[in-house]
Amino acid sequence: AQKVTQAQTEISVVEKEDVTLDCVYETRDTTYYLFWYKQPPSGELVFLIRRNSFDEQNEISGRYSWNFQKSTSSFNFTITASQVVDSAVYFCALGEPSSGNTPLVFGKGTRLSVIA
Amino acid sequence: DGGITQSPKYLFRKEGQNVTLSCEQNLNHDAMYWYRQDPGQGLRLIYYSQIVNDFQKGDIAEGYSVSREKKESFPLTVTSAQKNPTAFYLCASTRGTSVFTGELFFGEGSRLTVL
Repeated sequence: AQKVTQAQTEISVVEKEDVTLDCVYETRDTTYYLFWYKQPPSGELVFLIRRNSFDEQNEISGRYSWNFQKSTSSFNFTITASQVVDSAVYFCALGEPSSGNTPLVFGKGTRLSVIA
Repeated sequence: DGGITQSPKYLFRKEGQNVTLSCEQNLNHDAMYWYRQDPGQGLRLIYYSQIVNDFQKGDIAEGYSVSREKKESFPLTVTSAQKNPTAFYLCASTRGTSVFTGELFFGEGSRLTVL
């Protein structure tokens, strides 16, 4: 079973629309970490956010916001007033310290296209 | 500027040939990773190394080999035993021996095509 599910394979929106990227995770650990990365056309993944399991506060950074809900095992990412530069593949990832420092498990990614 | 450098960016290989992808970092990071990316498959872990002269297999290590002789270098060899090597390969590193101490830094990737 997938530990990180990003059900939306591709999303297209018109510039200035808001868009939410979904991420559902699966873990038995009480301590874990969730991440979002952005992969622009250049190919390099860029870190966006890390959240630990004990911090359920939503976070806002400019046009980006994240909604962490343990009750539904979700860590969704919203872009407000989208721009063409937001076009990229976005990955959600899970880290479980109990796994002995094994690396992050990534979802399959959501490709976002923002049309001018 | 500090970062991760992968080379070559594009590589073509004939079937049956081994090829080595280079990954160099000047971030003084302890841990380094190799991921493979296929369309619609996300990132899958090939190998990782948390200290020099030590490395562990990831989820899809078959047909690949690595070495970690220097802290800043973690080359990946795609051998002829890898049945479907055409893919985009990403190298990453992180400070400390735990990914939870900070974010992963990625290189720009190497795209390998087998002809």
